[in-house]
Amino acid sequence: QQQVKQSPQSLIVQKGGISIINCAYENTAFDYFPWYQQFPGKGPALLIAIRPDVSEKKEGRFTISFNKSAKQFSLHIMDSQPGDSATYFCAALRQGAQKLVFGQGTRLTINP
Amino acid sequence: NAGVTQTPKFRVLKTGQSMTLLCAQDMNHEYMYWYRQDPGMGLRLIHYSVGEGTTAKGEVPDGYNVSRLKKQNFLLGLESAAPSQTSVYFCASSKWGLSYNEQFFGPGTRLTVL
Repeated sequence: QQQVKQSPQSLIVQKGGISIINCAYENTAFDYFPWYQQFPGKGPALLIAIRPDVSEKKEGRFTISFNKSAKQFSLHIMDSQPGDSATYFCAALRQGAQKLVFGQGTRLTINP
Repeated sequence: NAGVTQTPKFRVLKTGQSMTLLCAQDMNHEYMYWYRQDPGMGLRLIHYSVGEGTTAKGEVPDGYNVSRLKKQNFLLGLESAAPSQTSVYFCASSKWGLSYNEQFFGPGTRLTVL
């Protein structure tokens, strides 16, 4: 049973465009939602994270939008650049558990 | 400060062979984790440890064993490798805390079981 569902599986965006990746979760006990970025041949690295008491968090060109009632959250990459080409994973965590549950991943390609 | 390191980087095994993957961290983190990454499946937790001498099962523990004899090391063992264990394995570590602490990942080990 996939507790965090991520879509799309792959995404191609033109340079300068907006990349949007969506995730949905089932367990209402989750209370922390990070996004990880992974470049080829590397391990994932934390990109940005949000708690459900806010609806949006922005760091530079990266924004998380969170809809608690719908149990959905999304990553928006503004002015997408070729250097953003990577695999992105959403994840969820229940406080105190220290165990992340990951989505399936999205391979993002930014065409120059 | 190397962060999280993993050895080996690549390995090819035959079905039934055994091997151990080593993870080391120099950040004095209490928690350590082993994940496997498969296409379309994301990262799935195999085993984890909340401190030296303690281990616990994750989402997909069957066919794997782990040990945490030293705080900085976390070993993942495959006693009798199967083709279904072909995957990329990632180790991660994080600090102890009442709230969420970032998990830092190693570079991965690509394992092929023939």
